[in-house]
Amino acid sequence: AQRVTQPEKLLSVFKGAPVELKCNYSYSGSPELFWYVQYSRQRLQLLLRHISRESIKGFTADLNKGETSFHLKKPFAQEEDSAMYYCAPHNTNAGKSTFGDGTTLTVKP
Amino acid sequence: DAMVIQNPRYQVTQFGKPVTLSCSQTLNHNVMYWYQQKSSQAPKLLFHYYDKDFNNEADTPDNFQSRRPNTSFCFLDIRSPGLGDAAMYLCATEGTAKNIQYFGAGTRLSVL
Repeated sequence: AQRVTQPEKLLSVFKGAPVELKCNYSYSGSPELFWYVQYSRQRLQLLLRHISRESIKGFTADLNKGETSFHLKKPFAQEEDSAMYYCAPHNTNAGKSTFGDGTTLTVKP
Repeated sequence: DAMVIQNPRYQVTQFGKPVTLSCSQTLNHNVMYWYQQKSSQAPKLLFHYYDKDFNNEADTPDNFQSRRPNTSFCFLDIRSPGLGDAAMYLCATEGTAKNIQYFGAGTRLSVL
């Protein structure tokens, strides 16, 4: 069975502090990994995908196939990063994604 | 401009009264998804279309049906809503080249 685990339901940091949102997955094959974000009163949207290897809004995520993890990191959190974050591996063969339960990040001033 | 549009944003129905939620897209994407999301939970895939090919998730209740009359529109029909069906329903599209999903704002369904 395909599973995604985001162990932290809630995460709170102060502005300027580093932040790491954890994601572990159990998936057959080689999924493509994504992070989606939902800001307050906005729709769910893509934050970044692992194959792009890019930094979006200061966030990066490294795929660790050995540990089957895809943790999201940012060295200096900002208040506008407060949002709900979902890790979502995509099974290319099946043509669908599985979403984790999400982590609510709060960045305090 | 919104590219995936869900109507209505809020829907109230009575227990057992059929209800239809709609989704339209201007992206011309092949794939469309319907998710159910309950409070503090992950979006749960109900079904998806690849063009007209319908794919039902094994645990999607028979109470839920879907129609996709053309590329732009997709409907979610709940034949006999129960209290447990109250949730946010999300529609998403995907262009096959990139596996990135584009979400609508959702329809929040209340069942009285």
